[in-house]
Amino acid sequence: EPEVTQTPSHQVTQMGQEVILRCVPISNHLYFYWYRQILGQKVEFLVSFYNNEISEKSEIFDDQFSVERPDGSNFTLKIRSTKLEDSAMYFCASSVEGGGGQPQHFGDGTRLSIL
Amino acid sequence: ILNVEQSPQSLHVQEGDSTNFTCSFPSSNFYALHWYRWETAKSPEALFVMTLNGDEKKKGRISATLNTKEGYSYLYIKGSQPEDSATYLCAFDSSNTGKLIFGQGTTLQVKP
Repeated sequence: EPEVTQTPSHQVTQMGQEVILRCVPISNHLYFYWYRQILGQKVEFLVSFYNNEISEKSEIFDDQFSVERPDGSNFTLKIRSTKLEDSAMYFCASSVEGGGGQPQHFGDGTRLSIL
Repeated sequence: ILNVEQSPQSLHVQEGDSTNFTCSFPSSNFYALHWYRWETAKSPEALFVMTLNGDEKKKGRISATLNTKEGYSYLYIKGSQPEDSATYLCAFDSSNTGKLIFGQGTTLQVKP
């Protein structure tokens, strides 16, 4: 069964450095999402993306964050000048259709540790 | 601020027991309610997407109901098995952009 893949599985970065988290969504999916889960907290929505544009972003997704679909297969989340509080598990998800009410397929996540 | 709450936070049952959990969500601006099953070290797996008040969905021994007017959904597991041990997440979908607002999850442990 096709799946969403994320790399790396674990990223350790010094505070202030830039980090890029990579995702390969399921090939026929058109809608893409990033979520994160800080240890002990709920899974939080960061951003949704369709047709090379952000559809919606949360208040967490400030100028420090950006997303890109650089080619036909990858979907990346860039965090500039990382902070300690960016340490979390980051999940990529995709869906065939958008518009809400569609199951989202999640990757295994990237654990980001900021030192 | 939209808030989704799940109860109980954790549950320990014996193999063969039936169990259920609750998800509470805002009763306004409803678009859909999602249930996910999340095993340790794996990705969350979609179980159900429910959109209509009164919806009931079933997948094997797992079923779910939806009440959008009062803002709750129940997930039932009949005859729990050790492989059902996981965290069950519900997520509220209130827009057409796919933004999901998650509850904190119910962690189920089924003892053989």
